[in-house]
Amino acid sequence: KQEVTQIPAALSVPEGENLVLNCSFTDSAIYNLQWFRQDPGKGLTSLLLIQSSQREQTSGRLNASLDKSSGRSTLYIAASQPGDSANYLCAVTGFQKLVFGTGTRLLVSP
Amino acid sequence: KAGVTQTPRYLIKTRGQQVTLSCSPISGHRSVSWYQQTPGQGLQFLFEYFSETQRNKGNFPGRFSGRQFSNSRSEMNVSTLELGDSALYLCASSLETALGAFFGQGTRLTVV
Repeated sequence: KQEVTQIPAALSVPEGENLVLNCSFTDSAIYNLQWFRQDPGKGLTSLLLIQSSQREQTSGRLNASLDKSSGRSTLYIAASQPGDSANYLCAVTGFQKLVFGTGTRLLVSP
Repeated sequence: KAGVTQTPRYLIKTRGQQVTLSCSPISGHRSVSWYQQTPGQGLQFLFEYFSETQRNKGNFPGRFSGRQFSNSRSEMNVSTLELGDSALYLCASSLETALGAFFGQGTRLTVV
C-alpha cells in the first residue's frame, strides 16, 4: 500500500527566504508526482507535475525534483513571499488514483 | 478553457438524509475522480470514472456511490448521512493518468 509522508508538517519563515519542502513515498511504481497548493477552504491548485521518467520540473520560483529510486521529491521555493502562504501537498499517481501526503503548512511573514 | 466546476459549493444536511454532488470536468477530459478531505484523515480517494465506467474505488462504505454521464459529467451520492461525512469533497479531472489531475473548488458538506 502506497504511503506518502511530508516533512515538515509546518514551516514559518520570513519573506525572502529560500525553502525546501520534502515528500517521500514507499512504492516507486508511480506514473507521476504532483505538487499542489491549497488555500484555506479552497480546492487544490496544481503547481508542478513530474512524470516518472523525469527528474525535475521548474515553474517560475518553484522547482521540484523526483528521485524514484529513493522514493523522494523536494519542492524548492525561491525568494518566498507572503502570498506563498498555503498548505502544500504532494501526491503520487498510482492505479487511476492519487495518494496524498498530509501536507506542509507554510507561513511566510512580511 | 474552463476548469473543473463543482456544484453546489456549500451544503448543510441533516443526519439520515441523502445528498448528491455534481462535477463538470475540463472539456475533453474523460476521467473524473472524487476525494474526501477531512482534518483528521486528510485527502482520501473515493472513486474514479472513465467513459462512464468505474475503474477504481476507495475504501468507503456502500453509502457512497457515484456515476458518470456520457458528457463526462459526474455525480456522487451519499445516502443515510452521518456526522462523520462532514468534509470537503473534491473532484478532479484528467486527460490521461500520466498528465496529471486538475481539481475543482470543492463542495463543503456539513451534516448536523
